[in-house]
Amino acid sequence: DQQVKQNSPSLSVQEGRISILNCDYTNSMFDYFLWYKKYPAEGPTFLISISSIKDKNEDGRFTVFLNKSAKHLSLHIVPSQPGDSAVYFCAATIGGATNKLIFGTGTLLAVQP
Amino acid sequence: DTGVSQNPRHKITKRGQNVTFRCDPISEHNRLYWYRQTLGQGPEFLTYFQNEAQLEKSRLLSDRFSAERPKGSFSTLEIQRTEQGDSAMYLCASSLGLAGAGETQYFGPGTRLLVL
Repeated sequence: DQQVKQNSPSLSVQEGRISILNCDYTNSMFDYFLWYKKYPAEGPTFLISISSIKDKNEDGRFTVFLNKSAKHLSLHIVPSQPGDSAVYFCAATIGGATNKLIFGTGTLLAVQP
Repeated sequence: DTGVSQNPRHKITKRGQNVTFRCDPISEHNRLYWYRQTLGQGPEFLTYFQNEAQLEKSRLLSDRFSAERPKGSFSTLEIQRTEQGDSAMYLCASSLGLAGAGETQYFGPGTRLLVL
C-alpha cells in the first residue's frame, strides 16, 4: 500500500531551466508534506515542507505547491543548477505523537550543464 | 560537524550472524528514528524513540530486530540471525521534539548492510 507515490523515476533538465518534481498521495489524513534530497552515500537532507492548510511555500529557488483536492504536490526548482542533481523524495506525516515520515520512491533529477 | 552520525558505515555479514548498528543523534534532540531503505525504494519507518522510551515500532520490525536508546542519547539497532532480505541501508534520524507536526528530521549517512 504505497500511500505516497512518485511516478517519475527520473527527470532530466537543462541548467537554468525549471525542474518540476511531482508527488501524489492517497491518505487524506496527512498534515505535513516534506521534500528531501539525497546524494549517493549520504543520508537524505531536508529541503522544504508545507502544511496541509497551505497551498504554496517558497524558499529561494525552491517552491512547493499543494493541491489537496487532487492529492497532489509538486516541487519547482528554478533555475536548476548542476548541483541540484540528486534523488528527491517526497514524504508526508500524519498528526500525532510519532511524526514518522512516509516516503515516496524518489525521483532522480539530472541537471545537464 | 555536529550532525547525526552512524557506525559502521558498511557491514558485510554472513546469513545467521548478529549485527549491531549505532546512531548518535544531534545533541539535545529528543526524538530518534530508524528507517530502512532498499534499492529503488524510499526509506521506510522502523521505530521511534522519545528520549529513552521506544514509543512505536513498525510491523516491518520482526522479532529478530531490537532497538534501544539507553539514557536517551545514542541508539543501537540489533538484527539477530540475519537473513539476505535484511540487506539494506539503515538510516537514523533525529529531531528536536518541540515543534510538533512536520518537524524537520535530520538524517545520518546510514549503515549499508550486506548479508551474504
